[in-house]
Amino acid sequence: GAVVSQHPSRVICKSGTSVKIECRSLDFQATTMFWYRQFPKQSLMLMATSNEGSKATYEQGVEKDKFLINHASLTLSTLTVTSAHPEDSSFYICSARDMARVETQYFGPGTRLLVL
Amino acid sequence: LAKTTQPISMDSYEGQEVNITCSHNNIATNDYITWYQQFPSQGPRFIIQGYKTKVTNEVASLFIPADRKSSTLSLPRVSLSDTAVYYCLVGDPAPGGYQKVTFGTGTKLQVIP
Repeated sequence: GAVVSQHPSRVICKSGTSVKIECRSLDFQATTMFWYRQFPKQSLMLMATSNEGSKATYEQGVEKDKFLINHASLTLSTLTVTSAHPEDSSFYICSARDMARVETQYFGPGTRLLVL
Repeated sequence: LAKTTQPISMDSYEGQEVNITCSHNNIATNDYITWYQQFPSQGPRFIIQGYKTKVTNEVASLFIPADRKSSTLSLPRVSLSDTAVYYCLVGDPAPGGYQKVTFGTGTKLQVIP
């Protein structure tokens, strides 16, 4: 089956630093990847849509200068949380659409970010 | 954007069949219905997807009535390991169509020994 990986699985950083999270589709090509954020006991909230070779589309209320997204290839998208603050602590999950089966999204295992 | 409504939580005993219903009254013609399962601190896992009538795979069945305004995920003979949150998503698979898919609250299924 389609596999999406994320790295790192968890990260702890100091306030003010930047953190990069990678999302990779391991056995399929994905022109579109999505980034979600999930707070404890809440549902997933879509942050942005990442399209290979073009700028990401951000949801309302998500700061594009704070959450930098790069989708440089058909198998890799990165989310960089810039100048992280404690309120950015959350569970970040990416998903990818298989170009061959566009009706289905496959999700990564998530990245737990803790900002001290 | 088709909004979905699910029960917040459900309890079931081991070995029973569980049916979780999702309402999506504003579903569009091109929308597919997809169900995901999520365990704590993990990403959602694809369970099943359908457009109309009935779909069955090795883990679940999905029933969709003719008007497609609702769908029911059926889990046969649940076990303790099926305790998780189940999400119903509705979206258009066309390029860019899933851009606005929104996760609802999901249904927290608790399987009891």
